[in-house]
Amino acid sequence: SAVISQKPSRDICQRGTSLTIQCQVDSQVTMMFWYRQQPGQSLTLIATANQGSEATYESGFVIDKFPISRPNLTFSTLTVSNMSPEDSSIYLCSVFLVGLAVRGSYEQYFGPGTRLTVT
Amino acid sequence: AQSVTQLGSHVSVSEGALVLLRCNYSSSVPPYLFWYVQYPNQGLQLLLKYTTGATLVKGINGFEAEFKKSETSFHLTKPSAHMSDAAEYFCAVSPSGANSKLTFGKGITLSVRP
Repeated sequence: SAVISQKPSRDICQRGTSLTIQCQVDSQVTMMFWYRQQPGQSLTLIATANQGSEATYESGFVIDKFPISRPNLTFSTLTVSNMSPEDSSIYLCSVFLVGLAVRGSYEQYFGPGTRLTVT
Repeated sequence: AQSVTQLGSHVSVSEGALVLLRCNYSSSVPPYLFWYVQYPNQGLQLLLKYTTGATLVKGINGFEAEFKKSETSFHLTKPSAHMSDAAEYFCAVSPSGANSKLTFGKGITLSVRP
């Protein structure tokens, strides 16, 4: 199976600052996804990041607030800009890889997440 | 558009008891359906998924789920709960097709009493 790592695993930041979260995959993948999981809530897709093109943002998320880079097929970064306490969440990256639970399928795998607290 | 409803936010069962976590979905196209588990301070792990074919799907750790189109449901079950099953469980839906975006339910926290 693939390994998806994220850095940092957690951080405490002051409002008004920015944090860049890194996602590294040990396989080459076309599409990477960034999700947000607010306290006590489910996962919400922020954007889809394809290598070599602009990220596609979901409704309610904008590039100025969450700029994304995708410099190659194994790496992506998400920046949370001008942070406020409302940005306190777990941020997860995910990718599609050849499935293990279902033979022959592609399944979505998730990184361990970055737990962000904004004070 | 797709949506997922997971009724309730918390389920508590005794060790050895049946686990039943409910999930209902709405989708304008034939859906793919998923259950993920999230252990404390960890990322999401795929338990099982339904794409096509057999409507009863078996996953890891003894869990299974049945796709019932007439009821738009995909409930997760396990015959006998184990303490290690305590976690948060998310149901998700995507339109059929490869590399499709997932829409998640709010999640259910499962507690297992000794």
